[in-house]
Amino acid sequence: DGGITQSPKYLFRKEGQNVTLSCEQNLNHDAMYWYRQDPGQGLRLIYYSQIVNDFQKGDIAEGYSVSREKKESFPLTVTSAQKNPTAFYLCASSRTPGTSAYREQYFGPGTRLTVT
Amino acid sequence: QQPVQSPQAVILREGEDAVINCSSSKALYSVHWYRQKHGEAPVFLMILLKGGEQKGHEKISASFNEKKQQSSLYLTASQLSYSGTYFCGTSETSGSRLTFGEGTQLTVNP
Repeated sequence: DGGITQSPKYLFRKEGQNVTLSCEQNLNHDAMYWYRQDPGQGLRLIYYSQIVNDFQKGDIAEGYSVSREKKESFPLTVTSAQKNPTAFYLCASSRTPGTSAYREQYFGPGTRLTVT
Repeated sequence: QQPVQSPQAVILREGEDAVINCSSSKALYSVHWYRQKHGEAPVFLMILLKGGEQKGHEKISASFNEKKQQSSLYLTASQLSYSGTYFCGTSETSGSRLTFGEGTQLTVNP
């Protein structure tokens, strides 16, 4: 079955450590996205990539970094520079770059990151 | 610019109807609707493109008023399974990214 996988489901880290969240898709989608969700809030875009080896900052990119070396993979690194990293992180993908407005996004199950 | 959703929360009894609104101050190209159950991934419901199109999916339908920059999601004869948080996502051009609203929490009680 095609879909998006995120691992791990729960992640615990100490403050000051970098941590990388995994996102893999086998839907053959060109575009991939990372969102952050805080309790009772909407989805805020961190980074997105419309094609391999290219990505753009979203609304809250500070303290995060990404790479897109393969079409299937879009890992997110939460660096120690991110002041409030504890949140629910969602990865998504959609077909065909440049059509995000009229292509549905498929979401992964999310990773809940807790930093203490 | 983030769209504004209203109401923030609504509680229904099974079988009742509900309307969730999504408004923007900017001209919109499209509106997406998603539903998210607690702790799970959002699930796509429908997309509406500018032109005042109305779509339906079983007992859930939506409209898009291009002049008012507003979309409404209609849930009729609600079922327990409709409970969750509903998000609208908007885009201003055909190639632009989505910006999501803060969500409307819908609870359907027996």
